[in-house]
Amino acid sequence: QKEVEQNSGPLSVPEGAIASLNCTYSDRGSQSFFWYRQYSGKSPELIMSIYSNGDKEDGRFTAQLNKASQYVSLLIRDSQPSDSATYLCAVRWSGGYQKVTFGIGTKLQVIP
Amino acid sequence: DVKVTQSSRYLVKRTGEKVFLECVQDMDHENMFWYRQDPGLGLRLIYFSYDVKMKEKGDIPEGYSVSREKKERFSLILESASTNQTSMYLCASSPGTGDYGYTFGSGTRLTVV
Repeated sequence: QKEVEQNSGPLSVPEGAIASLNCTYSDRGSQSFFWYRQYSGKSPELIMSIYSNGDKEDGRFTAQLNKASQYVSLLIRDSQPSDSATYLCAVRWSGGYQKVTFGIGTKLQVIP
Repeated sequence: DVKVTQSSRYLVKRTGEKVFLECVQDMDHENMFWYRQDPGLGLRLIYFSYDVKMKEKGDIPEGYSVSREKKERFSLILESASTNQTSMYLCASSPGTGDYGYTFGSGTRLTVV
């Protein structure tokens, strides 16, 4: 069973701080990694994708990938109360139909 | 923007009923997916389709079937609804080529009583 692990949280950070969200995955051959944000009562929305080792930045968001450690993270700089949501890590598996598995999500609370 | 539309936001059905959940996308995406989301279990893949008339089982297909007669529409069918199928159902789509994430519909909260 291919797995994606996230700490469910909640992770509480003060406004203006850096929030660090982490995810590990079990299939070393995985190639594609995604972060989704899900507000309470809403559906997930894609915020970042990353395919190569290293960092990828988009505004206040930075995705980090380390395939050797099977680890992907999302950093949110200058956290805002509007960033309070659940963040889902998703991994596309190698081979077959390249299905995507989601982690259970980390709930982030940004305290004003 | 891609729009994925799920026909109902809330549904209440009785045990044993046959239930149809409809999903339509308007951006000519080849790939469509049905997930259910439950607290503590996250999103779990029920069925997916990479082309018209094509369907593949996901991780939890038992008690469900799907239909994809047209490219833009992907229907999830609960053959005989049971209380353990009470859940949030999410439809998603993505382009057929390239490595893209998903666009989700707004979800259907199904309660089976």
